[in-house]
Amino acid sequence: AQTVTQSQPEMSVQEAETVTLSCTYDTSESDYYLFWYKQPPSRQMILVIRQEAYKQQNATENRFSVNFQKAAKSFSLKISDSQLGDAAMYFCAYRSALFREHDMRFGAGTRLTVKP
Amino acid sequence: EAQVTQNPRYLITVTGKKLTVTCSQNMNHEYMSWYRQDPGLGLRQIYYSMNVEVTDKGDVPEGYKVSRKEKRNFPLILESPSPNQTSLYFCASSTRQVTGYEQYFGPGTRLTVT
Repeated sequence: AQTVTQSQPEMSVQEAETVTLSCTYDTSESDYYLFWYKQPPSRQMILVIRQEAYKQQNATENRFSVNFQKAAKSFSLKISDSQLGDAAMYFCAYRSALFREHDMRFGAGTRLTVKP
Repeated sequence: EAQVTQNPRYLITVTGKKLTVTCSQNMNHEYMSWYRQDPGLGLRQIYYSMNVEVTDKGDVPEGYKVSRKEKRNFPLILESPSPNQTSLYFCASSTRQVTGYEQYFGPGTRLTVT
């Protein structure tokens, strides 16, 4: 079964600085999707960014970008120009493109604190 | 507005008292799931449904039941809740008809079993 590992339970960053959250995953599949979700204190799960495994180009959404290393099975999230509103729990997730049972796996999460 | 709704948002109950958490989506998604979120464990899948009348166990199905009689609804049933089911629960839906496959989540249900 696929597994997703987030090795940083907590991270902190100064406002306006850049921070990188780490994620590694284990799979034998070649076609899949990777996601970063943000969970603010409201508990709502918000999609931050998505990466298709077949795309070599790293995904970017405004201040959020990823470093996708398929061979290393690594999928880190970089937040540039951090803002107070970025403070949240961040979850890395994996989904098989085969869209089958147990097809979405989540890491344990990284709690990001933003210091003013 | 496209959304997944869950009710109730908060629930405190006692051991053994049957309860149901409702979930509904208005996006005509064929795929729906229930997850529980516990500190240090992330989200773990309880049950999922590929379509109407098609359900199967996820990673932590013990103590839970589900049904999918209509495409939009996917209730989670705890027939005899126990304190170890105290958790934050999320319903989610998705479709393979749209490239991306991301899950759309409900707002969550905070359940406390005493």
